[in-house]
Amino acid sequence: NAGVTQTPKFQVLKTGQSMTLQCAQDMNHNSMYWYRQDPGMGLRLIYYSASEGTTDKGEVPNGYNVSRLNKREFSLRLESAAPSQTSVYFCASSEAGTGYKPQHFGDGTRLSIL
Amino acid sequence: QKEVEQNSGPLSVPEGAIASLNCTYSDRGSQSFFWYRQYSGKSPELIMSIYSNGDKEDGRFTAQLNKASQYVSLLIRDSQPSDSATYLCAVYGNNRLAFGKGNQVVVIP
Repeated sequence: NAGVTQTPKFQVLKTGQSMTLQCAQDMNHNSMYWYRQDPGMGLRLIYYSASEGTTDKGEVPNGYNVSRLNKREFSLRLESAAPSQTSVYFCASSEAGTGYKPQHFGDGTRLSIL
Repeated sequence: QKEVEQNSGPLSVPEGAIASLNCTYSDRGSQSFFWYRQYSGKSPELIMSIYSNGDKEDGRFTAQLNKASQYVSLLIRDSQPSDSATYLCAVYGNNRLAFGKGNQVVVIP
């Protein structure tokens, strides 16, 4: 049982480049989330998808876009990467009833932008 | 006031002792409370969830919730070196899950 799978695990980009972080879950969860984690800042929600076909902004959405491709997959796109987006990105999923159900995290993508 | 606050760390405890972690939250309407453990370089892992006032025990872990005082705590009994990690408090309210910055626990053999 893979749980939540994120790709890639590591990535180095140059300022201005674009890329998409992929996330897939095999737990049949309705809700999916993207977080970033920076030293001293804790986990901050970027975007979430309560169910297939819906997406909503979280705490720090600027500079990012998301796509809920189907129930399993939720991608995060950086259109024009900036050094301030250097971070560790985590995807998470949970059963229906957002918040009441705990979230399960992927292994993370460590992204450096030069 | 920050949504979820955790004590500044790190917390050093001898092996076999009790580690006590506290978390306070600002939204009185918060409904669900979680503790995650995060090893260095790894992803957060859920270890406890609690939804009503009182204590909830799971193995060596006990979560305590006091909604009137707006705090949730985590006790780790018989601390082991493998418990050395950062512990994140998470609180659900206002349709979102807010995380504290975490408490680092170091168990000294």
